[in-house]
Amino acid sequence: KNQVEQSPQSLIILEGKNCTLQCNYTVSPFSNLRWYKQDTGRGPVSLTIMTFSENTKSNGRYTATLDADTKQSSLHITASQLSDSASYICVVSADPNDYKLSFGAGTTVTVRA
Amino acid sequence: GAVVSQHPSRVICKSGTSVKIECRSLDFQATTMFWYRQFPKKSLMLMATSNEGSKATYEQGVEKDKFLINHASLTLSTLTVTSAHPEDSSFYICSAITGTTYNEQFFGPGTRLTVL
Repeated sequence: KNQVEQSPQSLIILEGKNCTLQCNYTVSPFSNLRWYKQDTGRGPVSLTIMTFSENTKSNGRYTATLDADTKQSSLHITASQLSDSASYICVVSADPNDYKLSFGAGTTVTVRA
Repeated sequence: GAVVSQHPSRVICKSGTSVKIECRSLDFQATTMFWYRQFPKKSLMLMATSNEGSKATYEQGVEKDKFLINHASLTLSTLTVTSAHPEDSSFYICSAITGTTYNEQFFGPGTRLTVL
């Protein structure tokens, strides 16, 4: 069974600090890995997409890394802002021709002033 | 980026009534749309794949007569929850594929359904 596990389940950080979220997956074969940000009561918004050959990708203060050998990914948030408070979801695609995605349960980040 | 809208954003209905949720791709044509359901603090669960002009494909355990899906055009898919019950209360999210290299799915803002 394809699985995507995220850690921690939740975390609280002070505004301006950095944090790193983890994602481990067992999805096989592997096509690409995506990180989404989901604000409360809203749909997920894409932050990054990485294929097998990509090790890192940035989107503003968000930097994602991928180690396809160990099947691990991380999302680093730099200089956190209050608006970063959200759930961050790791999503893995096994086959670009198969639209089904494997979703992690998400990490809830709370940024406090 | 591609924009997907949903309407309504929130709906409260009485048990036994039917509720229709619309999903629209605003600036692109989507031959394929998806409907997800999300419970609090849980990940998205795929309910069905909606293809324009054909019947939807439902995931195992999802009642097709309960959740009616119609993909009448390249920009509109609708989900109708028939004879809604309190256990149908949930957050429903649609997504659409733009046909890019990654077949990236763009998600709508979601619809909060509360059945009393």
